[in-house]
Amino acid sequence: GAGVSQSPRYKVAKRGQDVALRCDPISGHVSLFWYQQALGQGPEFLTYFQNEAQLDKSGLPSDRFFAERPEGSVSTLKIQRTQQEDSAVYLCASSSRQPYGYTFGSGTRLTVV
Amino acid sequence: AQSVTQPDIHITVSEGASLELRCNYSYGATPYLFWYVQSPGQGLQLLLKYFSGDTLVQGIKGFEAEFKRSQSSFNLRKPSVHWSDAAEYFCAVVTNTGNQFYFGTGTSLTVIP
Repeated sequence: GAGVSQSPRYKVAKRGQDVALRCDPISGHVSLFWYQQALGQGPEFLTYFQNEAQLDKSGLPSDRFFAERPEGSVSTLKIQRTQQEDSAVYLCASSSRQPYGYTFGSGTRLTVV
Repeated sequence: AQSVTQPDIHITVSEGASLELRCNYSYGATPYLFWYVQSPGQGLQLLLKYFSGDTLVQGIKGFEAEFKRSQSSFNLRKPSVHWSDAAEYFCAVVTNTGNQFYFGTGTSLTVIP
């Protein structure tokens, strides 16, 4: 597609529930990034893929967070046993040539109740 | 370590007035600098970026920014604000490997008719 697509747009999860957030990058973009944006804050880096390889996961806040991109296109961010502090907007971005071509998706707003 | 500071949490201006949003960065090498805008419930839209060369860069929607190495600043300006410019503005620096953005905490802009 023309842009980065994220689904769902909104997700409400009960504490302890597992969630999966999907990102469809721009076709042909080899680099894919996940960011977490808490309310009133700037986005913070979570993880980075080049094709199917996860090259940097230093920003993942705990081992409950897991990301994958098995075929080098669509990526899924999974959060296990969600906690209230996981409530945030999760942004995905893709790029064909860093750092020039970053395009962000509209994000998934996760609310943990 | 890289960091970005946006000293103004919230700014209010009258429609038609000029605007300047401040951004200071901390980065050891020559930075790549960006300004993004985020409307409520939306993703990040790129306004402009600086990599090298002319220190005054022009962006979309009539915005411009000036890179001042001596002041470690990259302030965003617009000569005449429109009501549709009301949004959250984020300054960001990217490392020269382009693997992650470091965002400021954002400046919320309110435009008064």
